[in-house]
Amino acid sequence: SAVISQKPSRDICQRGTSLTIQCQVDSQVTMMFWYRQQPGQSLTLIATANQGSEATYESGFVIDKFPISRPNLTFSTLTVSNMSPEDSSIYLCSAGTGPFDTQYFGPGTRLTVL
Amino acid sequence: SQELEQSPQSLIVQEGKNLTINCTSSKTLYGLYWYKQKYGEGLIFLMMLQKGGEEKSHEKITAKLDEKKQQSSLHITASQPSHAGIYLCGAVPFNFGNEKLTFGTGTRLTIIP
Repeated sequence: SAVISQKPSRDICQRGTSLTIQCQVDSQVTMMFWYRQQPGQSLTLIATANQGSEATYESGFVIDKFPISRPNLTFSTLTVSNMSPEDSSIYLCSAGTGPFDTQYFGPGTRLTVL
Repeated sequence: SQELEQSPQSLIVQEGKNLTINCTSSKTLYGLYWYKQKYGEGLIFLMMLQKGGEEKSHEKITAKLDEKKQQSSLHITASQPSHAGIYLCGAVPFNFGNEKLTFGTGTRLTIIP
């Protein structure tokens, strides 16, 4: 199994600012993903973090708003840029080692934008 | 796109009672994951089902995937307060190599002592 940590666990930010969320896995993984969970909602995939190349974004999410880095097989960051109150959500990263392997999730980052 | 419907949306059960949560897909499932989420926290992996007719158990939780691979159920026997939380099913769509999970709407489970 993989243990995933995220930093920060929570933050309160002002409108117009940016926040970078870090995701660290305790072992090398093939796949890393970023999800958003808006209040009272299920999880929505933002993007797949690709090691050494640009992230693959889902419909409705763009790189300018959610730039993602993945410099190696155990670490990724998600930046929420130019934040608005609508960005208030829990952001979760997940990781897996291939098809049909378990996807493990981090504890999430609870973001509140004022 | 893959759509997952969970039922019921919420469930209030007396401690010690059994309960079932369902997850229905609009398309054939390539893999089906069950997770539990405590309020405001990350997801805890419960089980993953892949084959039609497959059934897995962990402690008092049993999950099944039907033969057609379009519906899964999660059954909790003799529920306890520790079972309270939000249960989410996540699906791998039926195209090999795509591991992105699509999640169901979630079921909020409350256990009454």
